Amino acid sequence: RKEVEQDPGPFNVPEGATVAFNCTYSNSASQSFFWYRQDCRKEPKLLMSVYSSGNEDGRFTAQLNRASQYISLLIRDSKLSDSATYLCVVNAGGTSYGKLTFGQGTILTVHP
Amino acid sequence: DGGITQSPKYLFRKEGQNVTLSCEQNLNHDAMYWYRQDPGQGLRLIYYSQIVNDFQKGDIAEGYSVSREKKESFPLTVTSAQKNPTAFYLCASSMGLYYERYFGPGTRLTVT
Repeated sequence: RKEVEQDPGPFNVPEGATVAFNCTYSNSASQSFFWYRQDCRKEPKLLMSVYSSGNEDGRFTAQLNRASQYISLLIRDSKLSDSATYLCVVNAGGTSYGKLTFGQGTILTVHP
Repeated sequence: DGGITQSPKYLFRKEGQNVTLSCEQNLNHDAMYWYRQDPGQGLRLIYYSQIVNDFQKGDIAEGYSVSREKKESFPLTVTSAQKNPTAFYLCASSMGLYYERYFGPGTRLTVT
């Protein structure tokens, strides 16, 4: 089983749609979680951290489910500018403390 | 402006040549990293450094070397021993291993 697994998509949605991505992780000792956004041929940029109680930043909501070992990202009211690859990132705990593992990414295309 | 710079943006080399990629940060971060990204794959960790004059191998260190003589700088040398050096190389920094990574704009290396 991969350490971090994402559905690669692509997800094609119309403007204004709500879309959700899930990401599963295998290390139950994982300590922290992030979502990054990566535009085509650019560097990844931090979108948001994921907190145990869930957190929201404008149209974006992140959730963590430790029991099932997955995190999710919900995007409401999608904009054309949301088109990008979304990377799930997990910071392992235990003996792998501090190691960030990146998922392969989920491609999102928002169309008019 | 605080940030991470990488140069050059594009680099072309002949097989058998060593090449050094530059990475500088002015975020006053202690930790710095080098990642490699291949099409359709997640980021893979090459080397990382938590403090000056110390660095550790990541998951795919073979064929690469680094130095950390200054806090701000973490150059990566791709040696002729690296079997498939053509890739997108990303430098990152963070306050520490537990924290989110901030990425530079990357260097696209093509070896023919």
